[in-house]
This record gives sequence, C-alpha cells and structure tokens, in this order.
Amino acid sequence: DTAVSQTPKYLVTQMGNDKSIKCEQNLGHDTMYWYKQDSKKFLKIMFSYNNKELIINETVPNRFSPKSPDKAHLNLHINSLELGDSAVYFCASSPSRGGGPNYGYTFGSGTRLTVV
Amino acid sequence: TQLLEQSPQFLSIQEGENLTVYCNSSSVFSSLQWYRQEPGEGPVLLVTVVTGGEVKKLKRLTFQFGDARKDSSLHITAAQPGDTGLYLCAAKTSYDKVIFGPGTSLSVIP
Repeated sequence: DTAVSQTPKYLVTQMGNDKSIKCEQNLGHDTMYWYKQDSKKFLKIMFSYNNKELIINETVPNRFSPKSPDKAHLNLHINSLELGDSAVYFCASSPSRGGGPNYGYTFGSGTRLTVV
Repeated sequence: TQLLEQSPQFLSIQEGENLTVYCNSSSVFSSLQWYRQEPGEGPVLLVTVVTGGEVKKLKRLTFQFGDARKDSSLHITAAQPGDTGLYLCAAKTSYDKVIFGPGTSLSVIP
C-alpha cells in the first residue's frame, strides 16, 4: 500500500482551465502539505493543514485553493491555469506539525502539471 | 529570511569515488534533515541530525551537523550508480515551516 498517494501522475491542460489534484495518506499522520517543485528542482511550500485546519498559507495566487475533507486527504484545486503554473506538485505528510525533531516528511510521487 | 544553500549544484563522478556535499545557512536550526530524490519520485528522508557536532552513518553515507547548527555535510564513500539523485537538505524554521535547500544533483557514472 502506498503511504502517500496523489493523482493524477501527469496532467496536461490548456490555459484557462480548472483542474484538481488529489492526495491521500494512510499513515495516520496529522499534518499534510502541498509543495511546488519548479524546473530548477527547488521545493517551495504552498500550504499546510493540521487535522483539517489550514496552518500555513504561503504567498500563493488565490487561484490555488486547498481543501482537506479529513486528516487523511488534502486536495488542491487550481482555477484559470496559467503557463507559469507548470511544475511538479508534491503532497507530503508528517506525524505532527513540527513538535520534536522527528518531523520527517513522507512525500507522494508527484503530479507533473503541464499547461499549454 | 531563513535560507539554505547547497553546494555543489551539480556533481558527476565515477563509480568508486568519494564525495562530499554541503548545506549552509546563516541561521541556526534546531535540527536538519537530508533527503534523496530520484527522477519521477518524491524526496525520501535519509536522516535527521539534531545535536551540534552530531555524526550519523547510514551504510556508505556519513552525515554531520555543524557545531553551530548552521551547516551540514553529507559524505558518500565509494559511490555507486544507485546513489544517483538529487540530494536535498531541509530544516524547520521558527515558524514551524520546513524549508528546503536548492539541492545537489549527483550523477555516478558506472
């Protein structure tokens, strides 16, 4: 069983469309995250949820809206897609929001979004 | 702003060679982590170092946390093609946020 699974793996879409990426974790972790990895492989945090509560919301366009129906799921909806949104989006989870040194993340395998 | 820098950015070596990659910051961190990312996959946690001066070994990989807890190094002995990947350091900021360095892309040629 995959610990953190995200779908789809690849997403090719036209500018202006709306798309969603889904993420599920079966580790029993309390905290989930969305990260964006750009073409230079730099990983930047976008959002973080702890037990369905939004705790980190970086400077991300309003077109990006996360939603966590329960602590095992964190979805990302993107409206009016732009060329610059093309990147790999990673979902991750951790046991807690950061208490103690063991805050290691478990990442999904990523969703490669290409906007044409 | 708390930032992590990594060097070198790219490294290509022959199988069997040794190498060291570095992670540096001007900030002090309570702990630091190293991840390896293979193409088409998400990063995988290798180790967490917590105490200044701490050294941890994972088979042929040796991780060290600087005495001042501002930097870390990863040394690989007798590199193998399976070590190929992007090595990322990460640290938790004072805002409970984990930031990542830009990574070192390692290629081990058979």
